[in-house]
Amino acid sequence: DSGVTQTPKHLITATGQRVTLRCSPRSGDLSVYWYQQSLDQGLQFLIQYYNGEERAKGNILERFSAQQFPDLHSELNLSSLELGDSALYFCASSRGDTQYFGPGTRLTVL
Amino acid sequence: GENVEQHPSTLSVQEGDSAVIKCTYSDSASNYFPWYKQELGKGPQLIIDIRSNVGEKKDQRIAVTLNKTAKHFSLHITETQPEDSAVYFCAATFASGGSYIPTFGRGTSLIVHP
Repeated sequence: DSGVTQTPKHLITATGQRVTLRCSPRSGDLSVYWYQQSLDQGLQFLIQYYNGEERAKGNILERFSAQQFPDLHSELNLSSLELGDSALYFCASSRGDTQYFGPGTRLTVL
Repeated sequence: GENVEQHPSTLSVQEGDSAVIKCTYSDSASNYFPWYKQELGKGPQLIIDIRSNVGEKKDQRIAVTLNKTAKHFSLHITETQPEDSAVYFCAATFASGGSYIPTFGRGTSLIVHP
């Protein structure tokens, strides 16, 4: 158990809808990273937050957004969902360079 | 940007044999190289890591080597067991403005036959 929690574990929704994925980092970790894992693209970095502020952006679509709250939990918002957004979404937390991953949320868009 | 190549994509061994997974990276600024094990339905789990000021690191049956000049690093698992069966990912990370963004390899599916 990494100490990082994610909810929900599974999410099934329809195209065009909006969903919110939640992540709670390990105690004391200020950084939260979001990743998308799909069969064809592998593990792709989306966005990083550090102590409530956006710190780095990767291959994140404009339809996707994230935020980190004062209690350091983070949410990833995915809107106008398309079939191709079906994937595993992971968050990871860190204090320095070592990242610890949560169990992920499996998103299925029908 | 950074590019990480990982080989092989699939590795099948008999229990007790050794397994070696190799990765190459392109950006000489990368200085931190973690390895993750991902079991079916779970998130990636950090199993070992190495930093650019070290050439080799060992933890029980797992070892990682790093050749900065050639820009490649490898994971060695000795005395493999069926529970080692999983997908293994390497990553190359560099620090930029307080961010440590890893670039991952495509993964190696290790199958250990009893």
